[in-house]
Amino acid sequence: GAGVSQSPSNKVTEKGKDVELRCDPISGHTALYWYRQSLGQGLEFLIYFQGNSAPDKSGLPSDRFSAERTGGSVSTLTIQRTQQEDSAVYLCASSLAAGGVPYEQYFGPGTRLTVT
Amino acid sequence: GNSVTQMEGPVTLSEEAFLTINCTYTATGYPSLFWYVQYPGEGLQLLLKATKADDKGSNKGFEATYRKETTSFHLEKGSVQVSDSAVYFCALSFNSGGSNYKLTFGKGTLLTVNP
Repeated sequence: GAGVSQSPSNKVTEKGKDVELRCDPISGHTALYWYRQSLGQGLEFLIYFQGNSAPDKSGLPSDRFSAERTGGSVSTLTIQRTQQEDSAVYLCASSLAAGGVPYEQYFGPGTRLTVT
Repeated sequence: GNSVTQMEGPVTLSEEAFLTINCTYTATGYPSLFWYVQYPGEGLQLLLKATKADDKGSNKGFEATYRKETTSFHLEKGSVQVSDSAVYFCALSFNSGGSNYKLTFGKGTLLTVNP
């Protein structure tokens, strides 16, 4: 079956512009995670969605970052007024709902963001 | 907070050599432990996992044992192949009460296997 898809695969933007990154999780997966992979910080958690519950935004690095998940499926990560330090690969992962033990998270191919 | 420390790379081995990549963790409770692998040009994939102390995860000839007494989850393989060349990430997941099983990753170890 189809895996997690992300678009665009690459995005180059000028400093100060806003960008939107999209994630399409595996059908039936109610849990969705965003992570960021950068040279300086490694892989770090950004935000978590579970069904219709309020998201866990504890990993978002600043208020320029926001995300939403419409209809419990597709998610969009928005970065406003981009800065050069936002350059990274943004990864999306989805899993079945957790029920006491963590289910496997399936990762998308990522969006490579370059801020010039 | 929770953290994962894994050995710095890069690691370069000859085919059929024995591989160990060390991983230790710090956690407030009893986390689940994972090894993820990122092959060149591909996305992150789960390699193996262990959810409680003394569990051994295994896959594709790789093994790791959850050692609570040493807070470690070292990755081993008896005979590596060129196709094992990749970046390996140790990670933990701990649920402090909600349903969020976010992963906390180590920095990654680049493995290169030469023929």
